[in-house]
Amino acid sequence: DSGVTQTPKHLITATGQRVTLRCSPRSGDLSVYWYQQSLDQGLQFLIHYYNGEERAKGNILERFSAQQFPDLHSELNLSSLELGDSALYFCASSGDYTGELFFGEGSRLTVL
Amino acid sequence: GQQLNQSPQSMFIQEGEDVSMNCTSSSIFNTWLWYKQEPGEGPVLLIALYKAGELTSNGRLTAQFGITRKDSFLNISASIPSDVGIYFCAGRQRGADGLTFGKGTHLIIQP
Repeated sequence: DSGVTQTPKHLITATGQRVTLRCSPRSGDLSVYWYQQSLDQGLQFLIHYYNGEERAKGNILERFSAQQFPDLHSELNLSSLELGDSALYFCASSGDYTGELFFGEGSRLTVL
Repeated sequence: GQQLNQSPQSMFIQEGEDVSMNCTSSSIFNTWLWYKQEPGEGPVLLIALYKAGELTSNGRLTAQFGITRKDSFLNISASIPSDVGIYFCAGRQRGADGLTFGKGTHLIIQP
């Protein structure tokens, strides 16, 4: 158990819809990272938040947004969903800048 | 963005055999990490490397940070059935945020 909690574990929705994925980092970790994992693209960095502030953006679409709340949990919002958005979405947390990330079990999104 | 070339893509081995996989890049990385992912789970950190030339072990796993800073290797000795999974290399560049991941090595062990 990494200590990172993600909900929901599975989500099925239709094209055009909007979903919110939630992440609670390990106790004490200020950094939350979001990654997308698909079969053909591997693990792709989406966005990083540190103590409530956005720190870096990776390959995140404009239809996607995230935020980190004062209690340090984070949400990833995916809107105007397309079939190609079907993937595993992972949240990872870190307590420092060593690069060691601790991943949650992921949220599997299926867009029909 | 930067890419990490991980090989082999998959490995079919017999239980008890040693395993070697590697990750290369055209760019320099300051940190190399190796993760393992099992079905339905998130990646789990196995080994982290911070210095060029560093050799670090974790049980039957040994990883090395290449001297050029552009590659890393992971070896697993005397494989057992629970070693099955996907192994990912990941690197962090100076000043960069987030990790860049390789596409993974699928390890399959035949009893």
